[in-house]
Amino acid sequence: DTEVTQTPKHLVMGMTNKKSLKCEQHMGHRAMYWYKQKAKKPPELMFVYSYEKLSINESVPSRFSPECPNSSLLNLHLHALQPEDSALYLCASSPLAGGVGDPFFGPGTRLTVL
Amino acid sequence: AQSVTQLGSHVSVSEGALVLLRCNYSSSVPPYLFWYVQYPNQGLQLLLKYTSAATLVKGINGFEAEFKKSETSFHLTKPSAHMSDAAEYFCAVSVRGSSNTGKLIFGQGTTLQVKP
Repeated sequence: DTEVTQTPKHLVMGMTNKKSLKCEQHMGHRAMYWYKQKAKKPPELMFVYSYEKLSINESVPSRFSPECPNSSLLNLHLHALQPEDSALYLCASSPLAGGVGDPFFGPGTRLTVL
Repeated sequence: AQSVTQLGSHVSVSEGALVLLRCNYSSSVPPYLFWYVQYPNQGLQLLLKYTSAATLVKGINGFEAEFKKSETSFHLTKPSAHMSDAAEYFCAVSVRGSSNTGKLIFGQGTTLQVKP
């Protein structure tokens, strides 16, 4: 299994809702990432987990809450989002954080906040 | 600090013509460099990477890139464009340092249009 899966593929939520994005990989990678990509822009890093511990938070607002329950799974919990948070959320994994291993990207979850 | 600049936000070529997408980097340490492709409504797919081995790197789908330290460049080329190459292309540098984060810094992207 050489892929990163993300669910759901699309998500529409209101500003008062609570939802979660899920990312899974079974490649034995020990680093996992959340990126945010606005339309016509490059991805921007949000969080890095290394060995299930949060190693980087790129000053992301607290309405985004990451969680790494085990080495294969990465969640992003969403609460009280704003319309400007609408974007493509990409999960990625790599064998180790900072090594030469290729970051594998998932297909993304397209989030719309109403 | 590392950074990447992609010259040309939009490149248009005819089918069968040479593809050249430009990328210049800035890094205080030897960089790891990547080219990714993104098709509409999809994630990023790795085309190729440079990790300080051979300076000419061959990737998937007939693409290759040459690392030129003197020019701080990592341009992506393909001898003959195919209609299926139409997509968004991102050059990226991996941030390296004591924290060893694995963070990727992306260029602004280049949209490749292939005309029949």
